[in-house]
Amino acid sequence: GDSVTQMEGPVTLSEEAFLTINCTYTATGYPSLFWYVQYPGEGLQLLLKATKADDKGSNKGFEATYRKETTSFHLEKGSVQVSDSAVYFCALKTSYDKVIFGPGTSLSVIP
Amino acid sequence: GAGVSQTPSNKVTEKGKYVELRCDPISGHTALYWYRQSLGQGPEFLIYFQGTGAADDSGLPNDRFFAVRPEGSVSTLKIQRTERGDSAVYLCASSLGAGNTQYFGPGTRLTVL
Repeated sequence: GDSVTQMEGPVTLSEEAFLTINCTYTATGYPSLFWYVQYPGEGLQLLLKATKADDKGSNKGFEATYRKETTSFHLEKGSVQVSDSAVYFCALKTSYDKVIFGPGTSLSVIP
Repeated sequence: GAGVSQTPSNKVTEKGKYVELRCDPISGHTALYWYRQSLGQGPEFLIYFQGTGAADDSGLPNDRFFAVRPEGSVSTLKIQRTERGDSAVYLCASSLGAGNTQYFGPGTRLTVL
């Protein structure tokens, strides 16, 4: 069945470091891909999305490119801030409109 | 504008009791989804409504779980004979319709003692 795999956390980085969180997926057809973020004590928020191969989603300095050939959607940010500390979820949406989430990667950014 | 709201924010109950969790979607959103998030895991799909009808209930774990959306807006997730394993955060999301981005509510944290 459809699934999402993410790199395991927790990830701890110093402020201004480069961030990569790896995400790969397995799906039939052509899913839409998403990154959601969950800040401490808050609900899930959509961070960025891409709906077809080679699309790049971007928001708040974060980027991810839909790579069909490697079935990946890695999240990157050039310079993280303390306020980026959160749990990040990679997800895909199937043609049946069901969102399948990865297990989440916890990020802590220290000053 | 107002986002998805869920009530209560926290619910503590005893094993065997019945609980109802409520979701108010974003105004105008015709699609509504329920997910369950266990500690340390990503959300798992439970059920999806398009209008008043359940378009996909394949994620409901067993017949103790049931959800309704009688007027195509507010939805209630009902859990009978709760078990300790039902403890989780129950998330609701809504969208303009099938294929559109889902927006999530803050969740209801259910604890079954």
